[in-house]
Amino acid sequence: DAGVIQSPRHEVTEMGQEVTLRCKPISGHNSLFWYRQTMMRGLELLIYFNNNVPIDDSGMPEDRFSAKMPNASFSTLKIQPSEPRDSAVYFCASSSRTGGYGYTFGSGTRLTVV
Amino acid sequence: SQQGEEDPQALSIQEGENATMNCSYKTSINNLQWYRQNSGRGLVHLILIRSNEREKHSGRLRVTLDTSKKSSSLLITASRAADTASYFCATEDSGGGADGLTFGKGTHLIIQP
Repeated sequence: DAGVIQSPRHEVTEMGQEVTLRCKPISGHNSLFWYRQTMMRGLELLIYFNNNVPIDDSGMPEDRFSAKMPNASFSTLKIQPSEPRDSAVYFCASSSRTGGYGYTFGSGTRLTVV
Repeated sequence: SQQGEEDPQALSIQEGENATMNCSYKTSINNLQWYRQNSGRGLVHLILIRSNEREKHSGRLRVTLDTSKKSSSLLITASRAADTASYFCATEDSGGGADGLTFGKGTHLIIQP
């Protein structure tokens, strides 16, 4: 298994541009999580899905952030318009059960908004 | 919001020594997990301990959990240079287990060769 696959690995964009981050979870995992990591705030849970359905998006910082999971093998996190304070590393993780099991993380997307 | 708080924030020891990291949390939990993150990489799951367990071992790792004190410790025995990384505790709150993990800010461990 190739693990959780995220793309792109690095993204540099100008303020105001739309950014789309992509994630392919491990086949058979039914829970998917998007986290953001910064030095100041550590790892923050943005949103998670169970069986492709968004369960809790209370961690999404603003309406500029949106996430979708159209099928079991693909999810996107979109920021529109992007701002410099969105600069962070964004991680996707998946898990085989709803609770009680460890997560498998992707390698992350390092986003820089200038 | 942060749930787990790791202590110390940074730890530097000699290769071969044991490394102990602590984690405190605030709410009732289903389980507590430890993860490792190497620089520039994603997090790797190390071990999970459930709320009804007190101690768990995995290779050179030993985790303890004290739910009365809301604390956990991770012990790495006979440390190696490759153990240099940041270590995070994460909690799954009780109440269904479908709320996602809440992570602490981590302990940065440096193993001096």
